[in-house]
Amino acid sequence: SQTIHQWPATLVQPVGSPLSLECTVEGTSNPNLYWYRQAAGRGLQLLFYSVGIGQISSEVPQNLSASRPQDRQFILSSKKLLLSDSGFYLCAWSRGEQETQYFGPGTRLLVL
Amino acid sequence: QKEVEQNSGPLSVPEGAIASLNCTYSDRGSQSFFWYRQYSGKSPELIMFIYSNGDKEDGRFTAQLNKASQYVSLLIRDSQPSDSATYLCAVNKAAGNKLTFGGGTRVLVKP
Repeated sequence: SQTIHQWPATLVQPVGSPLSLECTVEGTSNPNLYWYRQAAGRGLQLLFYSVGIGQISSEVPQNLSASRPQDRQFILSSKKLLLSDSGFYLCAWSRGEQETQYFGPGTRLLVL
Repeated sequence: QKEVEQNSGPLSVPEGAIASLNCTYSDRGSQSFFWYRQYSGKSPELIMFIYSNGDKEDGRFTAQLNKASQYVSLLIRDSQPSDSATYLCAVNKAAGNKLTFGGGTRVLVKP
């Protein structure tokens, strides 16, 4: 069966500090991978998605970036965090286009 | 107009009753539709998906899709206190990987 991991689970960072969140998927190959953000009391916003190694599509212009160095690894980064970057960051995977997306446990980020 | 709209609730339902949740979408070319459940502080988990017009049943859950009217609904029969959560409707457009989520409906099942 497939499993998806995210770490860290919780993170408190000062404004202006860098960020690196990691997501890995087990039990499948060549998955589509996604990063979402959910601000407090709000819906999910798609940030990035990837259909393969090194292939990243950005949905929202911002100070975040994503990378996919390996088939089942997806990384979300920032060079300088803003207060508005606080939120619940979710990684998801799917087998392909139009397929069901399955979510990881999420990383709760608080920027102070 | 939002791409995917849901009533934010809360929808208060007595235990054992039917909870009815609605979702409307704006892209007429949307192909696939999903319902996720999200408990407070947790990540969304898939309840069911539906691609074709009509009803799809899975246990106590029934999804209903009407593409002509651009709505998808979720019925929860015999509601239990453990069903208390936020239910997210998600729509995949005609092409690509973009799953657009509604804001969610909060459901409270009271014993």
